[in-house]
Order: sequence, then structure tokens, then C-alpha cells
Amino acid sequence: KNEVEQSPQNLTAQEGEFITINCSYSVGISALHWLQQHPGGGIVSLFMLSSGKKKHGRLIATINIQEKHSSLHITASHPRDSAVYICAVKETSGSRLTFGEGTQLTVNP
Amino acid sequence: GAGVSQSPRYKVTKRGQDVALRCDPISGHVSLYWYRQALGQGPEFLTYFNYEAQQDKSGLPNDRFSAERPEGSISTLTIQRTEQRDSAMYRCASSIGPRGATDTQYFGPGTRLTVL
Repeated sequence: KNEVEQSPQNLTAQEGEFITINCSYSVGISALHWLQQHPGGGIVSLFMLSSGKKKHGRLIATINIQEKHSSLHITASHPRDSAVYICAVKETSGSRLTFGEGTQLTVNP
Repeated sequence: GAGVSQSPRYKVTKRGQDVALRCDPISGHVSLYWYRQALGQGPEFLTYFNYEAQQDKSGLPNDRFSAERPEGSISTLTIQRTEQRDSAMYRCASSIGPRGATDTQYFGPGTRLTVL
């Protein structure tokens, strides 16, 4: 079992739909990152959070430390949101990030 | 722009050759990370520097892999005696502070290594 698991692995939506991507982890963490990997391969950091909720434009990230779970939501999805979304955690001890395998999101017009 | 840059972007080499991959972090960023990403998978941690000090190299798969950052800026990841299983995207990232992975990381475009 991976330390970081994402669901779903693949997600197809119609433009305008509300999207939720989930991340569960099995270790104690001090931070959780959500990253976006573009079709061209570049990786961009979307959020880093250790508690509560953060919002940036149409993107919302939440984390529940007790349940060891985080969600990334996209409101009013658009084809340009099509990408791989990756969850990564920083364990309480140590300095490394451990990554999930990513969720491939495709938003059709 | 002044983002993280990596060179070369693509490297094709023959099995048994040594390769050196370069990362130029954002100016002033203290922390630098190396990751490896196989196709269809998330990145995998290799090693991490604060300034010139290698803080954690536990992700390096074996002793053919090494990394340095001698002046606390540019870093080089070296793979000796390359093998086909080393083929992957090698990514570098930097962050502004020395707090390890609790700062936002800025990723470079990666070097796609193919070992024939």
C-alpha cells in the first residue's frame, strides 16, 4: 500500500462540472502539497497546506488532519484544467516529499 | 523569466556511459531537490540540499547516483555507468527557505534521459 493514495486515477468531466480529487495518506505529516502537471510535462505547485482550507480562483484545497485526507476541488471546470493533479506529503519526520501517482483529469468542451 | 532551469532537456546515451544533469535553481533559493519520474507515475524523491550541504540522499537508488551543489547554487546529478532502468524524467525543484518540504517548491522542466 502506498503511503499516499489518490482517487480517482482518471476522471473525465464536461465543461462546467464541479470536480473533486481525493488524497489519503497513512503517515503523520507537517504539510501537504497539491501540484498540477501540464500535458507538456511541466509541474506547478497549486497549494501547500497543513490545516483547514485554501482557495485560489476556481481551485479549493481542504485537509482533515485527523482523517488523514485532503481534497482538491475545481469549480466551473474548463478544458484548460485538463492535466494530472498530484498530491504530495511531507512527513513529520524527515525532509522529503512523498508523492501520489496522480489523477489524470480530462475536461471536455 | 527567472524560473528553475535544467540542462540538457533531453539526453540519449548508451548503456555504460556516465551522464551529468544540471539544475540552475531560482536565484536566492536555499533548498534544492532532485526527483525522478517514470512515465505515468508521480515523482520520486532522490536527494535534497540546503545551501551546499546535502541534507538527505536516502532516495538515491544506488551508488552510481551522486549529486553535488558545491557553491550552494547550481547542482549536478551524476549517474555513472548508466543502465536502461535509469531512463526517466529527472526533475529539479527549489524553494526559498531551508525548511525542507514545508515551503512551496518550484519545478524545473526536467531532463528526459533515455539509456539505450
